Amino acid sequence: GAVVSQHPSRVICKSGTSVKIECRSLDFQATTMFWYRQFPKQSLMLMATSNEGSKATYEQGVEKDKFLINHASLTLSTLTVTSAHPEDSSFYICSARGLAGGDEQFFGPGTRLTVL
Amino acid sequence: SQKIEQNSEALNIQEGKTATLTCNYTNYSPAYLQWYRQDPGRGPVFLLLIRENEKEKRKERLKVTFDTTLKQSLFHITASQPADSATYLCALDGTGFQKLVFGTGTRLLVSP
Repeated sequence: GAVVSQHPSRVICKSGTSVKIECRSLDFQATTMFWYRQFPKQSLMLMATSNEGSKATYEQGVEKDKFLINHASLTLSTLTVTSAHPEDSSFYICSARGLAGGDEQFFGPGTRLTVL
Repeated sequence: SQKIEQNSEALNIQEGKTATLTCNYTNYSPAYLQWYRQDPGRGPVFLLLIRENEKEKRKERLKVTFDTTLKQSLFHITASQPADSATYLCALDGTGFQKLVFGTGTRLLVSP
């Protein structure tokens, strides 16, 4: 149980384009989903917290107009990187907490974004 | 300032031995602390959660301790196997509700 998927697993795009990443909880309903980014040899940095049916809460320093988050249902959250630039190249990972209210977070496999 | 510190140097041990990884934190008062395993190019996998009122937690070959006085958690893998080779991350509930703050991780290498 507690499986989270992400799509795509890897994406390469040109500078200036937008990229959408999907995060799905496959076997449970997630009231809260989180988006992280991870640079090589560094730890995960929380970007935003997404609650179903409400606006995402962004961490300090994260541009909400650049990283658009939508949590349309209890099993799906999307992150759109708008007007991507090479410095946005990173490993993006989502996680989800279940309706049962446990404190564990279950992570997706990650999406490697490369902006040329 | 707030910090979560894990040994940045890789830990090399022989198969069958016990691996012990350390997580120290400063200027946090976490209600719980979690340990995750991360393989290269993959997302973290949840292993164990220990709450502030728990001293120790076990799951199969894994054991976690949590000392809120020392502000430290120890993560043990007994009878280690080469398949245990990975990066292990500690995370604690940070400044906000539900938010996890991660350490930089310690790479464990178990040789046959």
